[in-house]
Amino acid sequence: NAGVTQTPKFRVLKTGQSMTLLCAQDMNHEYMYWYRQDPGMGLRLIHYSVGEGTTAKGEVPDGYNVSRLKKQNFLLGLESAAPSQTSVYFCASSYLGPDRRWNTGELFFGEGSRLTVL
Amino acid sequence: DQQVKQNSPSLSVQEGRISILNCDYTNSMFDYFLWYKKYPAEGPTFLISISSIKDKNEDGRFTVFLNKSAKHLSLHIVPSQPGDSAVYFCAAFSGAGKSTFGDGTTLTVKP
Repeated sequence: NAGVTQTPKFRVLKTGQSMTLLCAQDMNHEYMYWYRQDPGMGLRLIHYSVGEGTTAKGEVPDGYNVSRLKKQNFLLGLESAAPSQTSVYFCASSYLGPDRRWNTGELFFGEGSRLTVL
Repeated sequence: DQQVKQNSPSLSVQEGRISILNCDYTNSMFDYFLWYKKYPAEGPTFLISISSIKDKNEDGRFTVFLNKSAKHLSLHIVPSQPGDSAVYFCAAFSGAGKSTFGDGTTLTVKP
């Protein structure tokens, strides 16, 4: 099993360009997340999805859009990149807990995508 | 306002001794608390968790303690090994599907 796979691993953009980060998981997990990590800081939630076709905003959603057309994929889009979006982006997935209502919070992360906006 | 805080950016311990990493939180509604470990250029990996209704959970060398009255949790690593050197993130999870992370503590275990 590959687990959670992110593409691309590295990308350099110019201000105003757009791009899409792809996250794929092969664990049949219901929940998927996009986080960003900046130097000296923890992970901040951008958007998340609790199932195919559903998305919700996290802590820092401005400037990003997401889509979950298939259960195994979660796409993060930057419509018009800004230098403030220079960061390492992590995708994660998780599963429903034993009672099939809530998960227990355990996240499975990808290796990260380093994005630089000039 | 930061809901999960790790007040020590770094910690250095000798191999074989105990490492204690601390975390404070402000929201009493969290359902689970988790610790993740992160090596450079890799994604975080889950280490251990504790339900909000428990006060201790142990897994091998790793033990997490939860003090609900103080809104404090700690991770104990005994004995510490050089391979434990990494950044450790504390996270608090609410049943709505979201995790909130602390800023991390860099642990260095010296041989």
